Amino acid sequence: GESVGLHLPTLSVQEGDNSIINCAYSNSASDYFIWYKQESGKGPQFIIDIRSNMDKRQGQRVTVLLNKTVKHLSLQIAATQPGDSAVYFCAETSTAGNKLTFGGGTRVLVKP
Amino acid sequence: DAGVIQSPRHEVTEMGQEVTLRCKPISGHNSLFWYRQTMMRGLELLIYFNNNVPIDDSGMPEDRFSAKMPNASFSTLKIQPSEPRDSAVYFCASNIFRTSGGSDTQYFGPGTRLTVL
Repeated sequence: GESVGLHLPTLSVQEGDNSIINCAYSNSASDYFIWYKQESGKGPQFIIDIRSNMDKRQGQRVTVLLNKTVKHLSLQIAATQPGDSAVYFCAETSTAGNKLTFGGGTRVLVKP
Repeated sequence: DAGVIQSPRHEVTEMGQEVTLRCKPISGHNSLFWYRQTMMRGLELLIYFNNNVPIDDSGMPEDRFSAKMPNASFSTLKIQPSEPRDSAVYFCASNIFRTSGGSDTQYFGPGTRLTVL
């Protein structure tokens, strides 16, 4: 993914609805993917990860889907809550290396 | 467990002054990363260390920036002299890297917000 600079895509969602955040990654050699959540004034916080030998992984209220064919990653948040309001970043890396490449981020706004 | 610790949390300085940012990685982690985040450029990797050795410093903007990791539990990022365009939030992160099995999740500190006047 590439940084989009000043413009952050924004997803506005009603409290209780499901959210889907998408990410296109750039490197076909990437085999490890992570979703981070960043709240205002805080550092990125790990949410969930997935390795390339899987296409789906579930956590608590979150699911990550990986489509290696089209180099696409998504994060699904079930029953979105006000506390889910944040910027979400996808990140990719090759486990042979140790550098993460971050996407530009998506802002999620949860409406009460 | 304590996460990644950074200090100071906020730093305001004047152009030309030296700035030193500090980081204590998570105990047991052998890799440490310095990132910079701005509205314009997003999250950028500046430099990272494996086992206290700098591996990739290609993201360091220029010679005014330097980073050291004298031991497994401490790293510094220094800017000398500082300029207004260095104003940003600087994050430190750490993880476990295994030469045989690759990298694990990076965990981030709370960041240092730097303002250079």
